[in-house]
Amino acid sequence: KAGVTQTPRYLIKTRGQQVTLSCSPISGHRSVSWYQQTPGQGLQFLFEYFSETQRNKGNFPGRFSGRQFSNSRSEMNVSTLELGDSALYLCASRLPSGGIDTQYFGPGTRLTVL
Amino acid sequence: DQQVKQNSPSLSVQEGRISILNCDYTNSMFDYFLWYKKYPAEGPTFLISISSIKDKNEDGRFTVFLNKSAKHLSLHIVPSQPGDSAVYFCAASVYNAGNMLTFGGGTRLMVKP
Repeated sequence: KAGVTQTPRYLIKTRGQQVTLSCSPISGHRSVSWYQQTPGQGLQFLFEYFSETQRNKGNFPGRFSGRQFSNSRSEMNVSTLELGDSALYLCASRLPSGGIDTQYFGPGTRLTVL
Repeated sequence: DQQVKQNSPSLSVQEGRISILNCDYTNSMFDYFLWYKKYPAEGPTFLISISSIKDKNEDGRFTVFLNKSAKHLSLHIVPSQPGDSAVYFCAASVYNAGNMLTFGGGTRLMVKP
C-alpha cells in the first residue's frame, strides 16, 4: 500500500505571498492531520480533517487554513506568509477506527519564506 | 506550557548495548502514547505505542514502558544498531480530543559502531 504523499516537497516563497500544500492519505484512510515542525517550537498540531470537516484545530492564526476533498485528499493554505512560517509541514493520515489510531506521516513539505 | 518533554536532547550509545530514551508528560488526560523515529528531510515513522491501560508493550527490539503515577514513559532499544541513529519523538494523545498528537522536543540517538 502506498504511503502518505505530499506535494511539493520543497517550496520557496516571499513574505506576503500565499501557499497551498497538498496531501494524499494512505488508501482507505479518511482522516488527515497537519503538523508544523520548526527548530524552535518542535512539532505542533495545526488541524485535523475527517469527512471534509475540520474536527480539531491547534493554536495557529487564521492565516492557516485547510480543507479536505471527498476522496480524502487534503490541502492546507497559508496566506500572507511571514518569515516565521518557514518550516517543515507534515501531513498524517489515519483510518479512523473509532478508537485510538496510529497516525502515519508523509515526508513533509519544506517551506522557506524569504 | 510544554505538556510532553524529552529532557535529553541527545544520547550516544555503543552498538549492541541498550538505548533508553525518556519522556515525561504533565497532562493526566493523556491516555495513549506513541514513539516515532525521524530521519532528516523525512516524516516521522511510527515505532511503537502504548495505551494507558498497560504498563509495557514490546515489538521486537523495541519496548515501551509507561509509569502513569510518575507520568513517565521510556523507550528501550535492545540491541542498538547503527541504523537506529535518528531523532526519536514521543507523542501523547487524548482519546476524546480527536487523536491530536502532542509531541516532545525529540532526542537525537547516535549509535556508534
